[in-house]
Order: sequence, then structure tokens, then C-alpha cells
Amino acid sequence: ETGVTQTPRHLVMGMTNKKSLKCEQHLGHNAMYWYKQSAKKPLELMFVYNFKEQTENNSVPSRFSPECPNSSHLFLHLHTLQPEDSALYLCASSQSLAGGTRSYEQYFGPGTRLTVT
Amino acid sequence: EDQVTQSPEALRLQEGESSSLNCSYTVSGLRGLFWYRQDPGKGPEFLFTLYSAGEEKEKERLKATLTKKESFLHITAPKPEDSATYLCAVQAEQTGANNLFFGTGTRLTVIP
Repeated sequence: ETGVTQTPRHLVMGMTNKKSLKCEQHLGHNAMYWYKQSAKKPLELMFVYNFKEQTENNSVPSRFSPECPNSSHLFLHLHTLQPEDSALYLCASSQSLAGGTRSYEQYFGPGTRLTVT
Repeated sequence: EDQVTQSPEALRLQEGESSSLNCSYTVSGLRGLFWYRQDPGKGPEFLFTLYSAGEEKEKERLKATLTKKESFLHITAPKPEDSATYLCAVQAEQTGANNLFFGTGTRLTVIP
């Protein structure tokens, strides 16, 4: 495997289900991210992890629960979702977090297309 | 408030017809501007990073330029395989460590 992988690629779940999204990066990066992409809207940053520690939570509802056991793996646990949560969920990684004038490009996985019924 | 606006929303070109995509931004101190390509059903693919006004980067038929208020992605003699949505994102110095502000993208279609 190379780059950033995500499983499953497609997921349909009812509002009372509990499911998890998995992301794995094979780039040796230290930072990982979850994004939400909805139609006609810009990508929305949800969570940021650096060296397994959460550094940002952009006011995401508690029905989304991230987990980062190590720098290579990232999970997004889902429970009691709403239909408006249907979207493409993207995982990304970067070498490190930005600092000073330095910025690091983020590399994205293929995404999980989530449909909440 | 930090903001990114991309235009046009959609662009149809004949194969070989060169054009430019625009990304206008307002941020309080630019740390970096990024261009990505996204194919349907896939994640964004990194293309370029630009850091300061006057900077230019090229890759095959694509050339990205940066001024203090906007960036252009020039596409020279495009081919049908260049069809995709092109996303622009900026990272500001004052925001969270890695908060990228994305535009809504330009959907490019190149007709054979």
C-alpha cells in the first residue's frame, strides 16, 4: 500500500447504527486530519492530530468521535448520525504541523462516501 | 475573516484551448497557498504550494502563479485527461496550526 488509504470506500448506515471509518498513511508523516466534503461546499476541517495527540476540534458534534492510536492510523467513530451528515469523509496526512512561516502540504486518501438513512 | 473564492465555478474548454483558473483570497498573513486536483469519487491530489507573491511553479501543462491577493492556475493546451475539479486552499499564519481554508473549486471539462 502507498499513500493514504481509507476503508470502507462506501458506507450506508441508519441513524441508530454505530460504525467506524479507518485511515492509514504509509508516508511516515506525523500529522493526520479528518475532513468533511459536502456537495457545493468547501472542505471542512474536523479534527487534527499530531504525534497521536489531538490538536484541533473544529466544533464537531459529539456523535463524531476520533481516535488516533499511533501516527499511522486514524479512526472516526460514528454513532446516532443525522441525514445531514451524509458526505464524503476525507483523511489526510502531512509531514508535520505548520509552524512559523513553514507550511506542509497535506496528502489525501480516496475518502469514504457516507450515506445516513 | 479568512476567505477563498474560486472562479469560474465551471469551465468547458476544447482540447488545446488554453485558459486560467482564478483563486482570490483574503487572509491576515499568508503562510501558504495550495492547489489540488480532485477527480470524481476520489480525494484531492496535491499539485503545488506557493509561499510568496511572484512565485511560480510548473508541472506538465499546469502553471501556478501567486500575487498578494490571488493565484492563477494556467492550463496550456489542455487534454481531456485534465478534466477534474481544481481546488485552491490557503493557510493563514494566525489561524490554527493546520487549518486550510478551501474554495469550492472550479470544475474543468476538456472536450476532445
